[in-house]
Amino acid sequence: QKEVEQNSGPLSVPEGAIASLNCTYSDRVSQSFFWYRQYSGKSPELIMSIYSNGDKEDGRFTAQLNKASQYVSLLIRDSQPSDSATYLCAVNIVNAGGTSYGKLTFGQGTILTVHP
Amino acid sequence: DAGVTQSPTHLIKTRGQHVTLRCSPISGHKSVSWYQQVLGQGPQFIFQYYEKEERGRGNFPDRFSARQFPNYSSELNVNALLLGDSALYLCASSLRRENTEAFFGQGTRLTVV
Repeated sequence: QKEVEQNSGPLSVPEGAIASLNCTYSDRVSQSFFWYRQYSGKSPELIMSIYSNGDKEDGRFTAQLNKASQYVSLLIRDSQPSDSATYLCAVNIVNAGGTSYGKLTFGQGTILTVHP
Repeated sequence: DAGVTQSPTHLIKTRGQHVTLRCSPISGHKSVSWYQQVLGQGPQFIFQYYEKEERGRGNFPDRFSARQFPNYSSELNVNALLLGDSALYLCASSLRRENTEAFFGQGTRLTVV
């Protein structure tokens, strides 16, 4: 079982629709969760971070975290063609000693295409 | 403020050669992490350095090494290059040892021929 799993897609939505991206993780004690956007040929760009259960909204983006279900999601409202990219879910996995350090574990990414 | 900067942006090397990649973190950030990203996959953790000490290491062979300098910049070294080392190498900086938020540089595209 992969530590962080995402549906690779591609996910295709029409312009103006809500895009829903999902991610599950295996480590119950993970504490920090991130969404990155990566355009083709570019590096990942941090768009959302979430640390506690519930929703966190930032503009058109909403991150949702459910630690009991080990599930984190990203909603993009009013999707635009410029949102077309690969979205990477990243989790700060706690190591065997129970401490957290700088390692992020990424899913393989979900390719999102927003068509006009 | 400048973001994370990496050099070079592109590099072509021959099998068996050695390569050094460089990274300057965001001003004030003391943690630097290195990742390898092959096409179609998410980045894979290689190293984290914080306050000039190695704080974490991923599942990479000993051919991979790194260090952090007093100004918090970092180098990633790869010896005896293999074709499979061809990838995008990403440097990320964050403020603290625990990865609250990590910001990536533009990456170095390494091609081994």
